[in-house]
Amino acid sequence: DIQMTQSPSSVSASVGDRVTITCRASQPITNWLVWYQQRPGEAPKVLIYAASSLESGVPARFSGSGSGTEFTLTISSLQPEDFATYYCQQATSFPKTFGQGTKLEIK
Amino acid sequence: QVQLQQWGPGLLKPSETLSLTCSVYGGSLSGYYWTWIRQSPGKTLEWIGEINHGGSTIYNPSLKSRVTMSVDTSKNQFSLNLNSVTAADTAVYFCARGRIGLRYSDHWGQGSLVTVSS
Repeated sequence: DIQMTQSPSSVSASVGDRVTITCRASQPITNWLVWYQQRPGEAPKVLIYAASSLESGVPARFSGSGSGTEFTLTISSLQPEDFATYYCQQATSFPKTFGQGTKLEIK
Repeated sequence: QVQLQQWGPGLLKPSETLSLTCSVYGGSLSGYYWTWIRQSPGKTLEWIGEINHGGSTIYNPSLKSRVTMSVDTSKNQFSLNLNSVTAADTAVYFCARGRIGLRYSDHWGQGSLVTVSS
C-alpha cells in the first residue's frame, strides 16, 4: 500500500493567516492526489482533485500543487469556517489511502 | 442536486454482519463509481472499496475476505456487507460518489456510526 504522510499533524493559526499543509507519498503517484476538508460531525468535502484542480464551488483561497511524491495545500487567507481537519488521499492505486490528517485550529 | 442518504443498524454484536445501504437521489448510478469509506473514532479515513453501476468491485485487501458490495439499479441504491465484525470495525461509515476518470468523491452520505459491542 502507498503510505501518505501529512505534516504538520496540527497547526494553530489566526483568521487572515496563510497556511500550507504538506502531504508526502511513499512512492510516486503522478498527480492523483485529492484534498478533503472535514468539520466535526460531518462528512469530508472535496477541495482539490488531481493535485491542483479546484472543485466547483470551493473558494479560490484554497490551492493545491505538487506531483510525484510531494504535494501541498495552501489556504491563502484563513476564514473562520476553514478551521477543520484536512486529509490528503492518493488515487493512483488500490487501496486508495489517506494521510493521517492535519487539524487546523484557531490561535 | 445529488444527495446520498445512508442507513443501517447502529449496534452489532461481535461475529454479526454489518449491512448498510446508500440511496442516491437526484442522479443516476450510471457513469460513476460508488465508494464506502470508514473512520474509526478519532482516526483517519479508511477506503473500504468501490463498485460501479455494472456491479464490478474493488475491495481493500485488508477487508476483502469479509466485504461484499452490491448495486440495485432499480432502486438507485448500493450496499455494503461486512461479516464477522469485531470491535475493531466500530467506526463511522460513509458512502460516496466517485468521479470516473477524475478519481475523487464529490458527494458523500451523512455517515452512519456502527458500534460493535457484546
